[in-house]
Amino acid sequence: QKEVEQNSGPLSVPEGAIASLNCTYSDRGSQSFFWYRQYSGKSPELIMFIYSNGDKEDGRFTAQLNKASQYVSLLIRDSQPSDSATYLCAVGFDNYGQNFVFGPGTRLSVLP
Amino acid sequence: DAGVIQSPRHEVTEMGQEVTLRCKPISGHDYLFWYRQTMMRGLELLIYFNNNVPIDDSGMPEDRFSAKMPNASFSTLKIQPSEPRDSAVYFCASSWTSGDTGELFFGEGSRLTVL
Repeated sequence: QKEVEQNSGPLSVPEGAIASLNCTYSDRGSQSFFWYRQYSGKSPELIMFIYSNGDKEDGRFTAQLNKASQYVSLLIRDSQPSDSATYLCAVGFDNYGQNFVFGPGTRLSVLP
Repeated sequence: DAGVIQSPRHEVTEMGQEVTLRCKPISGHDYLFWYRQTMMRGLELLIYFNNNVPIDDSGMPEDRFSAKMPNASFSTLKIQPSEPRDSAVYFCASSWTSGDTGELFFGEGSRLTVL
């Protein structure tokens, strides 16, 4: 059974702070890792993907992957109220990441 | 492109009735996924297709659920008979093999309420 776990949340941070979202996965064979953002009542949208160990930065977002620890995280710098959403970690189990398992999500609230 | 299109957006039905949800994937995408989202269980994969062929239906809860993809531009998810525990948001998503991100493109979802 392939499992993906996330911080239970909700996570509240003040505006301008760094938000740290964590995700662990059970299958060592996992190939690809994704962070989706889902606003209330909306569908998930991709914000970051990472395939290799280390850090990957895109604007205010940094994804970190440690395959030895089976851990992936998302850092959001200079958090804004518009970042308030549920963040879903998704793990792919084949080379193209077409077989995904989603974590339960962490709800983030950025307080003005 | 218009994105993934799902219908209906909202469906309220009574227990025992048949429900059919529809999805049009993004043109050119060769993978199509059906997910169900609830507060209790999160986002669960029900079934996915590659080039219109079902690849993995292990997430389909029981025989009351069936999915078809008769062509590259259309898929249905049918529940017959429906039960209150089927109430959820059902998302259709598509992607393509040649994409370098593996990104899933989600439709807006179909919110199903079974009374």
